[in-house]
Amino acid sequence: ETGVTQTPRHLVMGMTNKKSLKCEQHLGHNAMYWYKQSAKKPLELMFVYNFKEQTENNSVPSRFSPECPNSSHLFLHLHTLQPEDSALYLCASSQEVAGYTFGSGTRLTVV
Amino acid sequence: SQQGEEDPQALSIQEGENATMNCSYKTSINNLQWYRQNSGRGLVHLILIRSNEREKHSGRLRVTLDTSKKSSSLLITASRAADTASYFCATDRGNSGYSTLTFGKGTMLLVSP
Repeated sequence: ETGVTQTPRHLVMGMTNKKSLKCEQHLGHNAMYWYKQSAKKPLELMFVYNFKEQTENNSVPSRFSPECPNSSHLFLHLHTLQPEDSALYLCASSQEVAGYTFGSGTRLTVV
Repeated sequence: SQQGEEDPQALSIQEGENATMNCSYKTSINNLQWYRQNSGRGLVHLILIRSNEREKHSGRLRVTLDTSKKSSSLLITASRAADTASYFCATDRGNSGYSTLTFGKGTMLLVSP
């Protein structure tokens, strides 16, 4: 365990479903991140939260909706996804300007 | 804009050999970081080098940074089969209080016994 826990590990959802990804860190870090990793593409930054305030939204479609109720928890709410949204979704945290601690990711398949 | 282009895309070596991976980037940075990823898992932070540093060591890892050429290299000495993984460089433009990392596509390293 890295200290950043993501659930579920795997998720299969239909295009009309609504689901949520959860991320939790117990490292006392101030910043949390969502990244998307698709095959043959670099990791794409989606959202950044610093002290539970959203500081960056990297032009992510509105069918992805983040929520950060406190500095330890981060959610990614999913609705009306497309098959091209199938990917590994990675959560990470960091303390100020330092290396990230990543979770193991959620492998999402949209059918 | 994409930062951090790793080279080569794939590298295959024998155990005991050294592995060198390179990274180039385009804009100014606060620091550069290297990560490792085993298949389908999360990334693991290996080393961070700041823009005013030229070289850094951590165990069998050696990282160099040349800001004039906008490039970095990761050297893994005396490689082991367990080093088989994908390696990514990431550049941090340095914001107030948090990092914003931009990753390259990575180098896939295969170390054969």
